[in-house]
Amino acid sequence: GGIITQTPKFLIGQEGQKLTLKCQQNFNHDTMYWYRQDSGKGLRLIYYSITENDLQKGDLSEGYDASREKKSSFSLTVTSAQKNEMAVFLCASSLLGGHAEQFFGPGTRLTVL
Amino acid sequence: GEQVEQLPSILRVQERSSASINCTYENSASNYFPWYKQEPGENPKLIIDIRSNMERKQIQGLIVLLDKKAKRFSLHITDTQPADSAMYFCAASEGNAYKVIFGKGTHLHVLP
Repeated sequence: GGIITQTPKFLIGQEGQKLTLKCQQNFNHDTMYWYRQDSGKGLRLIYYSITENDLQKGDLSEGYDASREKKSSFSLTVTSAQKNEMAVFLCASSLLGGHAEQFFGPGTRLTVL
Repeated sequence: GEQVEQLPSILRVQERSSASINCTYENSASNYFPWYKQEPGENPKLIIDIRSNMERKQIQGLIVLLDKKAKRFSLHITDTQPADSAMYFCAASEGNAYKVIFGKGTHLHVLP
């Protein structure tokens, strides 16, 4: 088995601040994902990465940057936090991309004051 | 972008009855349809999936049906228990080999 870890678990930021969320997996999966989860809106894809150093935009990429420094890690940056923003950011990985199970991390809960 | 519609958004059933969640998708090239369960405070976990070469799949009390002509798939939970109370998400693979599109979720409440 493997595990996905996300840091931090809770993130509180100020409006306009640049915030970075980190994700690590030890499944040795090639494909990794960042999703945003808002109440009533399901899981929306922000960025995904097919392999190390690859980046692909999802439907919600505006306002975010991502970095796949190595196969096991995938970072997400909120470039300018929006006031009163609250959401959970979920990292996931998959062995076979969109045709196999995605394993999710525990999430980072963002609050912007 | 492509959509996966999921209904209902909230579902309340009595313990030991059945619960059904329905999803529709747009892309006729979609060929993988997973279902995830998310319990409060937890991350989503795969509970069952079906590929386009099948019309029906069952794992214990979970049944998934796929109608490719109608671009519709559904999850049926038989003999529900309070432990089945959770958020359920359907998803469909996109034409792109790496992405799935998630539905907005169904909040299932199993009442004792």
